[in-house]
Amino acid sequence: DTAVSQTPKYLVTQMGNDKSIKCEQNLGHDTMYWYKQDSKKFLKIMFSYNNKELIINETVPNRFSPKSPDKAHLNLHINSLELGDSAVYFCASSQAMTANYGYTFGSGTRLTVV
Amino acid sequence: GQQVMQIPQYQHVQEGEDFTTYCNSSTTLSNIQWYKQRPGGHPVFLIQLVKSGEVKKQKRLTFQFGEAKKNSSLHITATQTTDVGTYFCAGPGSGGGADGLTFGKGTHLIIQP
Repeated sequence: DTAVSQTPKYLVTQMGNDKSIKCEQNLGHDTMYWYKQDSKKFLKIMFSYNNKELIINETVPNRFSPKSPDKAHLNLHINSLELGDSAVYFCASSQAMTANYGYTFGSGTRLTVV
Repeated sequence: GQQVMQIPQYQHVQEGEDFTTYCNSSTTLSNIQWYKQRPGGHPVFLIQLVKSGEVKKQKRLTFQFGEAKKNSSLHITATQTTDVGTYFCAGPGSGGGADGLTFGKGTHLIIQP
């Protein structure tokens, strides 16, 4: 059983398109995150949700819109994709929103915008 | 905002040699976590350090948290090819963790057989 699962694993799309990435965790964790990893492997937080409620929204373009229908799911919708959006997007979860718990990451979605 | 600096960015070692990566924060950290990401994989949680001066071991890996809780290190003894990957340290953001973990830029460990 995969603890944090993301779909799709790979996404290749043209500029201007809209796409979604889905994430589900079966760990019973309260908090979920989206991280972006660039080509240099730098991990940067984008969003954090605790029990379906948005906690953090870093300086991310408003073309990115997260949605959490329940605490086990956190999806990411991206409008009007740009070349610079190409990256690996990781979903993660933790037991609570304090930093006292390790994160469990999904396997990532490699987004390529052409 | 909270920054976590990690060095070196790349480390080439011969198999069997030791490896160390260092992490420094501009502010005192309540705790620090370490992750490993294999090539093509995702970050995997290794350990969390909480106490000042704490040392923890996992087989050939030794993790240390500085006395001032501003720095940490990960040391691998006698590297093996399975150790290849990127090692990240991460600390709570300025919001005490409510704003997620801030990751260092990682140290890429490359092992030559």
